[in-house]
Amino acid sequence: DVKVTQSSRYLVKRTGEKVFLECVQDMDHENMFWYRQDPGLGLRLIYFSYDVKMKEKGDIPEGYSVSREKKERFSLILESASTNQTSMYLCASTTQREKLFFGSGTQLSVL
Amino acid sequence: LAKTTQPISMDSYEGQEVNITCSHNNIATNDYITWYQQFPSQGPRFIIQGYKTKVTNEVASLFIPADRKSSTLSLPRVSLSDTAVYYCLVNKAAGNKLTFGGGTRVLVKP
Repeated sequence: DVKVTQSSRYLVKRTGEKVFLECVQDMDHENMFWYRQDPGLGLRLIYFSYDVKMKEKGDIPEGYSVSREKKERFSLILESASTNQTSMYLCASTTQREKLFFGSGTQLSVL
Repeated sequence: LAKTTQPISMDSYEGQEVNITCSHNNIATNDYITWYQQFPSQGPRFIIQGYKTKVTNEVASLFIPADRKSSTLSLPRVSLSDTAVYYCLVNKAAGNKLTFGGGTRVLVKP
């Protein structure tokens, strides 16, 4: 079975902390994505990567950065967490023109 | 970018057919249309994908008119467990920026 694994299901951090959200896929997909989801706002794309060490900004990249050092792993970094980054974060992966596989999500609370 | 527009919500009753239409006016020639289902506290999961005309699988049907500027997801005989948010996504042939619309919240009532 294909798998996209997000390192934490729930995370609580303090304002100003540096936060790492990790995502690992076991399908050898070249494309990986980070979305955030807030009530009533659907899925919004933060960053995506189409290859190792490659990254592209999505629709809401401000306050975030990403890292893709290995094909299977895509990390989302909040350099200095703020309360408005409290959200559900979803990682996904796919090959070109195939369906997206999503992780279970990380509910991040920034206090 | 192929931005998508869907109704915000729809109510239905068990046993009825639910049809959700998605507008994607800027779809490019080689783009595909894909639909996902999401339950609370879970990641979205793939339902169906199509390019033109009609596609059917064990879960749903997807109708795409000739101009491909819209698509309709059809859920036959829904049950309470079909209550979820449904998203359409234009799967780009070129480039990898996969941007979702707002989704449609479907509530199935007994």
